[in-house]
Amino acid sequence: EVQLQQSGAELGKPGTSVKLSCKVSGYNIRNTYMHWVNQRPGKGLEWIGRIDPANGNTIYAEKFKSKATLTADTSSNTAYMQLSQLKSDDTAIYFCAAMVIPGGYVMDAWGQGASVTVSS
Amino acid sequence: DIQMTQSPASLSASLGETVTIECRASEDIYNGLAWYQQKPGKSPQLLIYNANSLHTGVPSRFSGSGSGTQYSLKINSLQSEDVASYFCQQYYDYPWTFGGGTKLELK
Repeated sequence: EVQLQQSGAELGKPGTSVKLSCKVSGYNIRNTYMHWVNQRPGKGLEWIGRIDPANGNTIYAEKFKSKATLTADTSSNTAYMQLSQLKSDDTAIYFCAAMVIPGGYVMDAWGQGASVTVSS
Repeated sequence: DIQMTQSPASLSASLGETVTIECRASEDIYNGLAWYQQKPGKSPQLLIYNANSLHTGVPSRFSGSGSGTQYSLKINSLQSEDVASYFCQQYYDYPWTFGGGTKLELK
């Protein structure tokens, strides 16, 4: 069974950075793309970007290009997302997701989510 | 970016009823569409991919259809455990985009 275990809740001050992790078990992340999605309080889902852990190639949604940095460590089978220059608007739940279905190109395995709260 | 317009935003239905949620893309997404169910405090769960393929373990009362720019999710014989929010998402082109969501409640 594929499992994505995310790091815990973060409390960050405005202007600082946080780094979230997503450790995958039961599947080699070199064989998938790792995606990140956020959900602001009471709102819908927003795709942030994805990384190909095999070569480090990334694609970001335009609004997150200067906000999020995606990395991956294939030796530990873990994906990371750093959020920089935190603002109150970054307060959200952040999910990692992987594409596991053979031949599929959809986010079918999700982490439990990590809460990020930005407050002084 | 491809815009996904989902309707209705909220829906109230009775147990056993059939409900349909619609999703319209701003351009042809060639069946690159997924439907997710999200319960409060939980992560989204994949229901349907490729517009009409039922994900493993998802009850057969869920079905997806559509093509081009118009897609729909149907839930037959609504059960209490189906109370949740539902999101469509296109993966035909980057950036991937979601519909605004539909909150399904029991009447």
